[in-house]
Amino acid sequence: DGGITQSPKYLFRKEGQNVTLSCEQNLNHDAMYWYRQDPGQGLRLIYYSQIVNDFQKGDIAEGYSVSREKKESFPLTVTSAQKNPTAFYLCASSAWGTGEIGDTQYFGPGTRLTVL
Amino acid sequence: ILNVEQSPQSLHVQEGDSTNFTCSFPSSNFYALHWYRWETAKSPEALFVMTLNGDEKKKGRISATLNTKEGYSYLYIKGSQPEDSATYLCAFIAGGFKTIFGAGTRLFVKA
Repeated sequence: DGGITQSPKYLFRKEGQNVTLSCEQNLNHDAMYWYRQDPGQGLRLIYYSQIVNDFQKGDIAEGYSVSREKKESFPLTVTSAQKNPTAFYLCASSAWGTGEIGDTQYFGPGTRLTVL
Repeated sequence: ILNVEQSPQSLHVQEGDSTNFTCSFPSSNFYALHWYRWETAKSPEALFVMTLNGDEKKKGRISATLNTKEGYSYLYIKGSQPEDSATYLCAFIAGGFKTIFGAGTRLFVKA
């Protein structure tokens, strides 16, 4: 089955630790995205990548880092510099890399990160 | 600052009721509007992609309209069923690469 997988589903981290969230897709999509959701707010874009070995900051990139070494994978690292990392993180992919008309995004199931 | 607002924030209806909710977005620099349905414990799934002023889309009992001149889209559900219970997200796509999601409308349908 084609789709997007994220792991783990739940993640607990101590303050000061970096943690990496996994995102894999087998849809052959060029573009991949990371969003963060906080209660009562819309999805906010952290980083996106339109092609392998290239990625761009979204609206709230501070304290996060990504890599895109393979088309299928777009891991997100939440660093200790992120001041309020407790949130729900969603990964998505789309067929076209530019966000233009018709660029529907396909989402993974999400990872809930809690900082203790 | 581009802002996308959805209203109401949540909605409780009885099975069989018809309902609608709103997505408001900037009326300038419009490229597309997407609607997604997000059921609890699942991933958001695309419902509609709307690109032209006056667009109307329909999928079963769910339909949507688009007014780009005044910056709003309506989502309608006819004869709500318990399985319609979900959060409905709209996403505004502006010129260039910029996708902004609303906070969603959470629909509860009681049997």
